[in-house]
Amino acid sequence: DAGVIQSPRHEVTEMGQEVTLRCKPISGHDYLFWYRQTMMRGLELLIYFNNNVPIDDSGMPEDRFSAKMPNASFSTLKIQPSEPRDSAVYFCASSSGLTGLPEAFFGQGTRLTVV
Amino acid sequence: AQKVTQAQTEISVVEKEDVTLDCVYETRDTTYYLFWYKQPPSGELVFLIRRNSFDEQNEISGRYSWNFQKSTSSFNFTITASQVVDSAVYFCALSEAKVADGLTFGKGTHLIIQP
Repeated sequence: DAGVIQSPRHEVTEMGQEVTLRCKPISGHDYLFWYRQTMMRGLELLIYFNNNVPIDDSGMPEDRFSAKMPNASFSTLKIQPSEPRDSAVYFCASSSGLTGLPEAFFGQGTRLTVV
Repeated sequence: AQKVTQAQTEISVVEKEDVTLDCVYETRDTTYYLFWYKQPPSGELVFLIRRNSFDEQNEISGRYSWNFQKSTSSFNFTITASQVVDSAVYFCALSEAKVADGLTFGKGTHLIIQP
């Protein structure tokens, strides 16, 4: 079974540009999470979805960040406009609520650099 | 509020030595899950183990073992006969099980195994 797939793996963009990160969760998983990893703050939960519905976006840093999940197999995290302090590794993860076991399986991450 | 503390920022040992990574957690819930993840230099996050709060049995998987002690709120990870391939950042994480609301991660321990 394919794991969580994220694209792109690396993204370099100029300040002010729009950036879209993409994620395909593991088939059959009904929870999807977006995390951000920085040296200063470590791994932080940004937002999560259950059955394509956003449940908790309290970790989204500001209005420049938005996330969508139009269907069970695809989610996007968008930053508009991007700023240098958004540079980080962004991870998508998925898990199955049906099993009652909350371990999350992570994609390989997208390393975002905003210059 | 939940919190995970990994006091060891970096550990360096020589190959074949045993090494223990410490994890201390805080939660007000009586039902919760604890996890360890490995992040090798390639950057992905690899799930290693999950324990629930009702199961304090230690677990061994090959050279890896985990010691869960509720009395001290600790979930320590030991690698026996370390190998260079064990070099990675290791994260301890906590989930309060009533809702699959994402993981709270520690800051990670960077483990360096020298040949």
